[in-house]
Amino acid sequence: DQQVKQNSPSLSVQEGRISILNCDYTNSMFDYFLWYKKYPAEGPTFLISISSIKDKNEDGRFTVFLNKSAKHLSLHIVPSQPGDSAVYFCAASERMGGSQGNLIFGKGTKLSVKP
Amino acid sequence: DSGVTQTPKHLITATGQRVTLRCSPRSGDLSVYWYQQSLDQGLQFLIQYYNGEERAKGNILERFSAQQFPDLHSELNLSSLELGDSALYFCASSESQQATYGYTFGSGTRLTVV
Repeated sequence: DQQVKQNSPSLSVQEGRISILNCDYTNSMFDYFLWYKKYPAEGPTFLISISSIKDKNEDGRFTVFLNKSAKHLSLHIVPSQPGDSAVYFCAASERMGGSQGNLIFGKGTKLSVKP
Repeated sequence: DSGVTQTPKHLITATGQRVTLRCSPRSGDLSVYWYQQSLDQGLQFLIQYYNGEERAKGNILERFSAQQFPDLHSELNLSSLELGDSALYFCASSESQQATYGYTFGSGTRLTVV
């Protein structure tokens, strides 16, 4: 059973507009969430993270929102740029729990930003 | 360059064979994690080592094993290979036992079983 779900396999956005990538999780013990970006032929690279004690974290054009009651987080990219085209993975961990130390990943969403 | 080195980058082998994938973590990192990414699948956690000891185990098959050596490099051994083992295998490393600040991933080894 998938504990981290990214229900949209792909997303296409026009350059300059907002990209919103969504992620849902089922394990209420998860207390730390991360987004990774992956280009073809490269490993995933860390993008932004959020602790469960916060509901928003911002880093430049990237903002992650966490809704704990809905077990939902989203990544907003504003404005979107063609270089943002990549696969985005949502990941979660329970730092104090049984899976501490390893991340549980979703299947990823392929973002295409069109010029 | 992320600092995590994986070799080889590509590997083609026949069913029933055994292969070894190697990972050198980023300097200063004590934890090594192995992940498998199959077609249309997310990154599936296989196993974690911290400073030479197994720390956490995920969906790792009994045909697969791993170890971390005193110099902190790690090897993932895959035996009795099946067609379904064809995948990208990623190694990642972190300074601590926990993923608080995320991992640093290598560029992966693409395994093709024919």
